[in-house]
Amino acid sequence: GENVEQHPSTLSVQEGDSAVIKCTYSDSASNYFPWYKQELGKRPQLIIDIRSNVGEKKDQRIAVTLNKTAKHFSLHITETQPEDSAVYFCAASIEYGGSQGNLIFGKGTKLSVKP
Amino acid sequence: DAGVTQSPTHLIKTRGQQVTLRCSPKSGHDTVSWYQQALGQGPQFIFQYYEEEERQRGNFPDRFSGHQFPNYSSELNVNALLLGDSALYLCASSRTGTDQPQHFGDGTRLSIL
Repeated sequence: GENVEQHPSTLSVQEGDSAVIKCTYSDSASNYFPWYKQELGKRPQLIIDIRSNVGEKKDQRIAVTLNKTAKHFSLHITETQPEDSAVYFCAASIEYGGSQGNLIFGKGTKLSVKP
Repeated sequence: DAGVTQSPTHLIKTRGQQVTLRCSPKSGHDTVSWYQQALGQGPQFIFQYYEEEERQRGNFPDRFSGHQFPNYSSELNVNALLLGDSALYLCASSRTGTDQPQHFGDGTRLSIL
């Protein structure tokens, strides 16, 4: 089955710096890659996603890149702010029955942004 | 527009007991997925319901079962609770369609004593 690995497990940056989190997946059939942000005690919130027919997607300070050949995808946060501090999860899924199937998550990256 | 709602927020049970967790999907969503999140880990897929049937299932024992009702709400049942079942149980809902993301509820924190 699909396996998603995520690195690093912890990341500390200075406010204003950029942060990069990387994930690799094993199943070449995976075609949807969302990123979730989870603050302590709160629900995972979708921050950006990308599909296998797209190589890059950007939303303000957040961007995601996908390399299908290498089976890896990355989250880039620019101009980090203290409120970006949270645990970030990458995930992968395969289309199933005309919808997105189950999400396979990485183990998470705890991002700390120091003022 | 209410998002995904789950109840209860917290629950304490003892080993061997049974528990039922509930989820109401976001308005307009017809698919419900359940995940287990152990402390410090990523969510793990339990199963997904669509049209009142289990459509996909993860690597969880038969002690974990579910149900989806005609109004798309869903229940997760766990029998013969083990200490290792202590976790945050998350419900996610989505709309049919390959471009529809899953939205999560706040979860139910289940503690087994």
